[in-house]
Amino acid sequence: QKEVEQDPGPLSVPEGAIVSLNCTYSNSAFQYFMWYRQYSRKGPELLMYTYSSGNKEDGRFTAQVDKSSKYISLFIRDSQPSDSATYLCAMGAGGTSYGKLTFGQGTILTVHP
Amino acid sequence: DTAVSQTPKYLVTQMGNDKSIKCEQNLGHDTMYWYKQDSKKFLKIMFSYNNKELIINETVPNRFSPKSPDKAHLNLHINSLELGDSAVYFCASSQVGGRALDTQYFGPGTRLTVL
Repeated sequence: QKEVEQDPGPLSVPEGAIVSLNCTYSNSAFQYFMWYRQYSRKGPELLMYTYSSGNKEDGRFTAQVDKSSKYISLFIRDSQPSDSATYLCAMGAGGTSYGKLTFGQGTILTVHP
Repeated sequence: DTAVSQTPKYLVTQMGNDKSIKCEQNLGHDTMYWYKQDSKKFLKIMFSYNNKELIINETVPNRFSPKSPDKAHLNLHINSLELGDSAVYFCASSQVGGRALDTQYFGPGTRLTVL
């Protein structure tokens, strides 16, 4: 079993839809939770970052972390065609992890006009 | 001005060859990383250097050898290339001493195809 599980999709939604992306994890040491967005043929770029449990909102994006359930989510409101990309969740532990991030497989999202 | 750059962007080579990929960052970051992304988009860390010192060395065949001549550069040399090495290799950097909370900035990737 992988440390981080993410449904690879693909997910196809109409423009304006609310998108929900999720990851589950097994390592209780994870404290830092990120969502990276990767456009086709590009490197991943950080979209959202959350420390421990709770919600964080940034424009149309909301990240949620539920450490008790080992479950994180990313919601995209009013989705746009420009949101079409692969979304990767990533997690890191504190202490001596030296910045090591463990990534989910990524969910391929297409938003069609 | 590109923050994290990699060369080459594409690399096509025969099995058994030796090849190198170069990475440079102009962000003044202390830590650099190499990741491998397979055909299913699964991104996995391989190595990390902090101020030229190796700090993360995942279970990677010893045919892969990273080298950091200075903190702005991290190269990856691969000996005796195998078909399974075909993937996209990403370099990344982060500001401080390799903490999980530091944002990692990724390069554009090097698409390696082994024939």
